Amino acid sequence: GAVVSQHPSWVICKSGTSVKIECRSLDFQATTMFWYRQFPKQSLMLMATSNEGSKATYEQGVEKDKFLINHASLTLSTLTVTSAHPEDSSFYICSARATSKGYEQYFGPGTRLTVT
Amino acid sequence: KQEVTQIPAALSVPEGENLVLNCSFTDSAIYNLQWFRQDPGKGLTSLLLIQSSQREQTSGRLNASLDKSSGRSTLYIAASQPGDSATYLCAVRNGNNRLAFGKGNQVVVIP
Repeated sequence: GAVVSQHPSWVICKSGTSVKIECRSLDFQATTMFWYRQFPKQSLMLMATSNEGSKATYEQGVEKDKFLINHASLTLSTLTVTSAHPEDSSFYICSARATSKGYEQYFGPGTRLTVT
Repeated sequence: KQEVTQIPAALSVPEGENLVLNCSFTDSAIYNLQWFRQDPGKGLTSLLLIQSSQREQTSGRLNASLDKSSGRSTLYIAASQPGDSATYLCAVRNGNNRLAFGKGNQVVVIP
């Protein structure tokens, strides 16, 4: 199989604080990882793409200083939301891809972030 | 820019009826198309992946067709069950190697 996990599954934080979300590929090495955010009844919007050991490539309109992405190993990527605000409240989903598995992406279960 | 549209946005059907979910995309130069299932508050589960050279894929009660030239795909779910209630997302992969998602078809199967 190809399993991707995320931690935490949900988190509540206060405005101005930072929160880190982890994404792990459990049974394969992910050469590329993707971070998406999803608002209620909306489609997934790609935030950034990261390759292991390289800087992430951010989509237009996504603040790279606010959403820090680190892809330090072939099985772990982290997304840190810095100085969170209520408008950052959303569902964040990571996805991983391995060249050994073609171009199919495998998705994590998502993290619900609520900023109060 | 690739635009993916899914119609209808929401539908309810009685148990046992067949489901037909439609997806259209504006740029026909795709590598593949994928259908996902998403349960409330959960991540995505891949259902079917159709390569651009294929016309359909089947898995159990699910059948997905692809007409690349007209920019359309249809997901058929035969003999629907209450457990099929979920949101179904269509996504296409373009030359930039990114997935473009539709907003989904929200399905409720009534027992």
